[in-house]
Amino acid sequence: DIVMTQTPLSSPVTLGQPASISCRSSQSLVHSDGKTYLSWLQQRPGQPPRLLIYKISNRFSGVPDRFSGSGAGTDFTLKISRVEAEDVGIYYCMQTTQFPRTFGQGTKVEIK
Amino acid sequence: QVQLQQSGPGLVRPSQTLSLTCAISGDRVSSNSAAWNWIRQSPSRGLEWLGRTYYRSKWYNDYAVSVKSRITINPDSSKNQFSLQLNSVTPEDTAVYYCAREGDYDNSGYNAFYFDLWGRGTLVTVSS
Repeated sequence: DIVMTQTPLSSPVTLGQPASISCRSSQSLVHSDGKTYLSWLQQRPGQPPRLLIYKISNRFSGVPDRFSGSGAGTDFTLKISRVEAEDVGIYYCMQTTQFPRTFGQGTKVEIK
Repeated sequence: QVQLQQSGPGLVRPSQTLSLTCAISGDRVSSNSAAWNWIRQSPSRGLEWLGRTYYRSKWYNDYAVSVKSRITINPDSSKNQFSLQLNSVTPEDTAVYYCAREGDYDNSGYNAFYFDLWGRGTLVTVSS
């Protein structure tokens, strides 16, 4: 199984300031079709996960442009350019390149 | 608007069978461009993918090795839903269970394999 490791596990951020979350996979996420199926999910308190970013850097429909994704191979980053109160929650990276689908352990974003 | 509506008991006795259903509105369980998944979440295991069912001229299933001997995911085209059965449960199976759609393509028609739609989740407690 591909192990997804996120850092940090907790990220206290001041409103309006940037936040960055890293995700590393135990093996390359490049699929046989040449694409990299790395997604980022947001889970607000009491809610199911919500898709933010797919294929490293593609924002899903309705996701604000303050969210961006980057990376390649085994190292990936989610950035929030200016954190807003509604961004509080736990963020997960997830790979759908191989089976089984696997998730990072989550990074909690909270307001200082 | 596509939605997933979960149903099923919140309490299951040890050694019994956990059964949940996910009703789909706005899409078809027999879609040729989606797969229908079950995922669970617990403090000890985090988010754990359990398995999926999908239709590509015939029905297929994929299961996580950790539950493969105990799990069945069945589609029901007549009711446009899919179900999860997990046999011989123990307290370690206590978790919030989610159904989710994995879409093969994005709005531009490119491969996506993204989990774009989730049910609201069902807390299942295994206890006597």
